[in-house]
Amino acid sequence: DSGVTQTPKHLITATGQRVTLRCSPRSGDLSVYWYQQSLDQGLQFLIQYYNGEERAKGNILERFSAQQFPDLHSELNLSSLELGDSALYFCASSGPQGGAGDTQYFGPGTRLTVL
Amino acid sequence: AQKVTQAQTEISVVEKEDVTLDCVYETRDTTYYLFWYKQPPSGELVFLIRRNSFDEQNEISGRYSWNFQKSTSSFNFTITASQVVDSAVYFCALSEDNQGGKLIFGQGTELSVKP
Repeated sequence: DSGVTQTPKHLITATGQRVTLRCSPRSGDLSVYWYQQSLDQGLQFLIQYYNGEERAKGNILERFSAQQFPDLHSELNLSSLELGDSALYFCASSGPQGGAGDTQYFGPGTRLTVL
Repeated sequence: AQKVTQAQTEISVVEKEDVTLDCVYETRDTTYYLFWYKQPPSGELVFLIRRNSFDEQNEISGRYSWNFQKSTSSFNFTITASQVVDSAVYFCALSEDNQGGKLIFGQGTELSVKP
């Protein structure tokens, strides 16, 4: 158990809908990362927050947004969902620097299925 | 541009065989970090090792060992006396000092250890 929690574990929804994925980092970690894992794209970095501020951004679609709250938990919002958004979404956390040298610990993931 | 290549998509071995998973990376940075993660069939991503670009010393942890060679931009992972529980997908990843905590993952190598 990495100490990173993600809810829900599974999510099934329809095209055009909007969902919110939630992540709680390990105790003491200030940085939260979101990754998408799909068969065709592999593991792709989406976005990083450090202590409430956006720190790095990957190829995150405009339909996707994220934020980190004062209690350091994070939410990833996916809207206007398409079939191709079906994937496993991971959250990871690290501390204390939120930089390249930090080890990221991953949550169990949320499996999103868009029908 | 940064890139991680794991040329071996699938490897199958018989228990107790030694197996090496290859990882080749590309980066223009002089300061960077390399990681290995394991993804067992249950789906979570488990951290195995982190190595920075200034430390080329090889590392051994039980049956696991890692060989980092800057001259060939490689960070290979060897499992000695493989066991069925080693069956998983293994990912090599790179982070660069000026990219926040963004991890660039290889495509992964699926290791199957048969009894």
